[in-house]
Amino acid sequence: DAKTTQPPSMDCAEGRAANLPCNHSTISGNEYVYWYRQIHSQGPQYIIHGLKNNETNEMASLIITEDRKSSTLILPHATLRDTAVYYCIVRLDSSSNTGKLIFGQGTTLQVKP
Amino acid sequence: DAGVIQSPRHEVTEMGQEVTLRCKPISGHNSLFWYRQTMMRGLELLIYFNNNVPIDDSGMPEDRFSAKMPNASFSTLKIQPSEPRDSAVYFCASSLGLAVTKTQYFGPGTRLLVL
Repeated sequence: DAKTTQPPSMDCAEGRAANLPCNHSTISGNEYVYWYRQIHSQGPQYIIHGLKNNETNEMASLIITEDRKSSTLILPHATLRDTAVYYCIVRLDSSSNTGKLIFGQGTTLQVKP
Repeated sequence: DAGVIQSPRHEVTEMGQEVTLRCKPISGHNSLFWYRQTMMRGLELLIYFNNNVPIDDSGMPEDRFSAKMPNASFSTLKIQPSEPRDSAVYFCASSLGLAVTKTQYFGPGTRLLVL
């Protein structure tokens, strides 16, 4: 699986958009980009995933660059409850490697009032 | 909807004792995963099952760890004998299959402290 690089921490003002970057320069064509977050003392929570197109759901938007070497998770209006560790994960689509989520260190997002 | 259910939520035990962690996956999900989280090593996949069959246990740290899935609605992770370095948060997750597009949903975790 391609490795990912994320900044260790970021701050965001409440009500503003939070843009969390992820670098995955060695990603291959059949690898998906997944985002999870973990709020303190809770289990990881799925946010969004994508292959090459930008994706949006009720929680966030995922912007993947055309060369797929990086992506950005956007929380459009961050709230204090969005304070969490955000994990960018690249998952390989292959029959021999199914199921595995390999978590890195993630980005600690602190939303401030 | 009930999510993944784990029990107990907290467990304190003494070194050498047997510990059993339990997980009930989301109804209808046929894939189940056990993870461990520590400050030093982060979140690690220990083992996962598909249709109650273990698929990959390469993340299980030692023979002291074992996991079973006797039916589609129940799994256990057992540590025997437990050691202080096993202290961690253990998460169970489930999904509708193993395909890369199938999302894993995590339970609240079991916080284990081995004294």
